[in-house]
Amino acid sequence: EAQVTQNPRYLITVTGKKLTVTCSQNMNHEYMSWYRQDPGLGLRQIYYSMNVEVTDKGDVPEGYKVSRKEKRNFPLILESPSPNQTSLYFCASSPPGLSSSYNEQFFGPGTRLTVL
Amino acid sequence: QKEVEQNSGPLSVPEGAIASLNCTYSDRVSQSFFWYRQYSGKSPELIMSIYSNGDKEDGRFTAQLNKASQYVSLLIRDSQPSDSATYLCAVGNFNKFYFGSGTKLNVKP
Repeated sequence: EAQVTQNPRYLITVTGKKLTVTCSQNMNHEYMSWYRQDPGLGLRQIYYSMNVEVTDKGDVPEGYKVSRKEKRNFPLILESPSPNQTSLYFCASSPPGLSSSYNEQFFGPGTRLTVL
Repeated sequence: QKEVEQNSGPLSVPEGAIASLNCTYSDRVSQSFFWYRQYSGKSPELIMSIYSNGDKEDGRFTAQLNKASQYVSLLIRDSQPSDSATYLCAVGNFNKFYFGSGTKLNVKP
């Protein structure tokens, strides 16, 4: 089944404890992206990747890191989480095309993160 | 100013009616426009995409784009209770995407 998977789905942690949220897609998509969703603010793009070893900042990259060493995986790293990073996180991927801006994004199931 | 603005709703319509959802965006060079549907506790899923001025129809859904006025709309004909969800407007701009905060639609049986 074609899908985007995220792990863990739920995570409660404490301020300053490094964590990684994994994202994997099995559709051979080149474009992958991370979003956070907060009430009243909608989805905001954190980082995106056009392909392996090619990443760039989205709208709200502060406090996050990403890497793209393999085409299928795009982990999100919080080196020192803070309470303002409590949010619902979505990973998404898009197929290759003329431009990534024109392609539908397929979203993972989401990861609900709470930082105490 | 937000990149993409939507009325948060809720928008309530009776079953069988037309639901009209609107979205405005701020960047004139935006390239692509999407409507996603998000059920409570679930991830967004694509409903429609539109790239040029005018209307695009797909079943009960019609997307309308007016680049001069910088607005996008989604019409849902013959609304069903199963259409009750939050509808997210998204704008693509050179590999980045900007989402509105969503309009909650309630379709009453």
